[in-house]
Amino acid sequence: NAGVTQTPKFRVLKTGQSMTLLCAQDMNHEYMYWYRQDPGMGLRLIHYSVGEGTTAKGEVPDGYNVSRLKKQNFLLGLESAAPSQTSVYFCASSYPDRADEKLFFGSGTQLSVL
Amino acid sequence: GENVEQHPSTLSVQEGDSAVIKCTYSDSASNYFPWYKQELGKGPQLIIDIRSNVGEKKDQRIAVTLNKTAKHFSLHITETQPEDSAVYFCAASKSGGSNYKLTFGKGTLLTVNP
Repeated sequence: NAGVTQTPKFRVLKTGQSMTLLCAQDMNHEYMYWYRQDPGMGLRLIHYSVGEGTTAKGEVPDGYNVSRLKKQNFLLGLESAAPSQTSVYFCASSYPDRADEKLFFGSGTQLSVL
Repeated sequence: GENVEQHPSTLSVQEGDSAVIKCTYSDSASNYFPWYKQELGKGPQLIIDIRSNVGEKKDQRIAVTLNKTAKHFSLHITETQPEDSAVYFCAASKSGGSNYKLTFGKGTLLTVNP
């Protein structure tokens, strides 16, 4: 059981380049999330999805786009990368049951934008 | 929106001592308060959570207390061990419904010295 898998694990971009981060979960979870983690800032929600074909903005959505075409996948896109987007990105998923609202996180993608 | 403050940002204890991390939240409607542990190079993992209908919850060496009137909750780790060294995040949310999402504190780096 793989859980939540993020690819790639590391990436270096030049300013203005684009890329897509892929998140895949095999737990049949309805909800999926993208967070960024910066030193001293904790985990901040970028976008989230409550089901296949739906997406919503989180706390820091500017500069990012997302898509949830399949229930098991949640893609995070950077159309024109900026140095301020240097961060560690975490994907998470959950099953929206009030009895169990645990978030399952992937192992993260370290992104550097030069 | 919800705002979660976490203190201290760093905490160093001797093996066997207790560690306490405190969080306050702003939205009185929040009713779900989880704690996540993040080991180096990994994604956060849920270690314990509490809902607003209880004041305390224990799981072996860890416990969480909640004071709804004062809007604060705390993580207590007793008999600390070197493997407890990690970053700990508190979080808060209004559980249930389609807008479920957590607001995290900025994290506490706990170091347990042998």
